[in-house]
Amino acid sequence: DGGITQSPKYLFRKEGQNVTLSCEQNLNHDAMYWYRQDPGQGLRLIYYSQIVNDFQKGDIAEGYSVSREKKESFPLTVTSAQKNPTAFYLCASSTIGLSGSEQFFGPGTRLTVL
Amino acid sequence: LAKTTQPISMDSYEGQEVNITCSHNNIATNDYITWYQQFPSQGPRFIIQGYKTKVTNEVASLFIPADRKSSTLSLPRVSLSDTAVYYCLVGDNGWTGGFKTIFGAGTRLFVKA
Repeated sequence: DGGITQSPKYLFRKEGQNVTLSCEQNLNHDAMYWYRQDPGQGLRLIYYSQIVNDFQKGDIAEGYSVSREKKESFPLTVTSAQKNPTAFYLCASSTIGLSGSEQFFGPGTRLTVL
Repeated sequence: LAKTTQPISMDSYEGQEVNITCSHNNIATNDYITWYQQFPSQGPRFIIQGYKTKVTNEVASLFIPADRKSSTLSLPRVSLSDTAVYYCLVGDNGWTGGFKTIFGAGTRLFVKA
């Protein structure tokens, strides 16, 4: 089955530690995205990537880093510089093209910093 | 990027038709209008997408007037399981370089028995 996976589903970390969230897709999509969602709020874009080895900052990139070494993978690192990292993190992927294209979302990772 | 405006919340009863309107006054020529549904602690799920006029699929209809400055998502005969947050997005999926998408706060639909 084609899809997008995120791991782990729940993650607990101590304050000051870096943590990496995994995102993998087997949909052969060129574009991948990371969003952050806080309780009762909409999604905010952290980073996005249109092609391997290239990525762009979204609206709230400070304190986060990403890499795109493979088309299928787009891991997100939450660094100690992120002031309030506790949130629900969503990864998505999509095609790129002339017509509109939907984003396919993973199940999310809920990060809690203690 | 075109900003969207939606009602914060709506209530309905089972079996009723629900219409959620989204305003996007600054929509660009290449932009498509896309709606997503999100349940708690899950990723959003694509519902429907359109460019102009009316689009219908097995779960919803999307009405887009000629000026494209707004759109209306129509959910026929809602059930309790349609209780969710609905997001309206406007964007061109990167074709003209405007790759970022803005989800906004969405509309929280609560369906009552």
